[in-house]
Amino acid sequence: SQQGEEDPQALSIQEGENATMNCSYKTSINNLQWYRQNSGRGLVHLILIRSNEREKHSGRLRVTLDTSKKSSSLLITASRAADTASYFCATDGSYGGYNKLIFGAGTRLAVHP
Amino acid sequence: EAQVTQNPRYLITVTGKKLTVTCSQNMNHEYMSWYRQDPGLGLRQIYYSMNVEVTDKGDVPEGYKVSRKEKRNFPLILESPSPNQTSLYFCASTAGPSVAAYEQYFGPGTRLTVT
Repeated sequence: SQQGEEDPQALSIQEGENATMNCSYKTSINNLQWYRQNSGRGLVHLILIRSNEREKHSGRLRVTLDTSKKSSSLLITASRAADTASYFCATDGSYGGYNKLIFGAGTRLAVHP
Repeated sequence: EAQVTQNPRYLITVTGKKLTVTCSQNMNHEYMSWYRQDPGLGLRQIYYSMNVEVTDKGDVPEGYKVSRKEKRNFPLILESPSPNQTSLYFCASTAGPSVAAYEQYFGPGTRLTVT
């Protein structure tokens, strides 16, 4: 069962450009999280945004949340080759149960030097 | 260093041969979880545990068992592995009782191949 679905599935950009990834979900949530995964390795937490928040920043990352549209976006500004990874959103709430996170299939980002 | 460790990292086994993948965290976290990752499907939760002796099924529990006898350890047991359990497995832990409100710390992954 997938609560969050990322879009696009794959994204290829040049260094210095911005990368935007989107996540849509089906039911109401309490929190939404974004994770990064370098090829074949463990996921690393990026940002957690609560349902009463609209925007959050962390370094070059900007996450927005629109609960009316049931969607979130992750913006990476001034991308670097090291940002090449897969990015996942994860949601909770009534769909997955309050003690479970449901992950989307992810967006594969390739940043070319 | 705060971390989640998994062993083994790579495992090739044959159908029906029982195996255990260990997971340990050194952060005194209450919540621990196992996921499997398959191409195009993202991460799917197998089992989770909210504390010692408290475990519950995730989305894909069939063919797996877990136990939580100590707070730091959460082993994943495959009693009779089958080829459809070939996957990349991750253990994760979370500081709070609610996985949704806290970041998860992931282990490095165990790549399992069942022939």
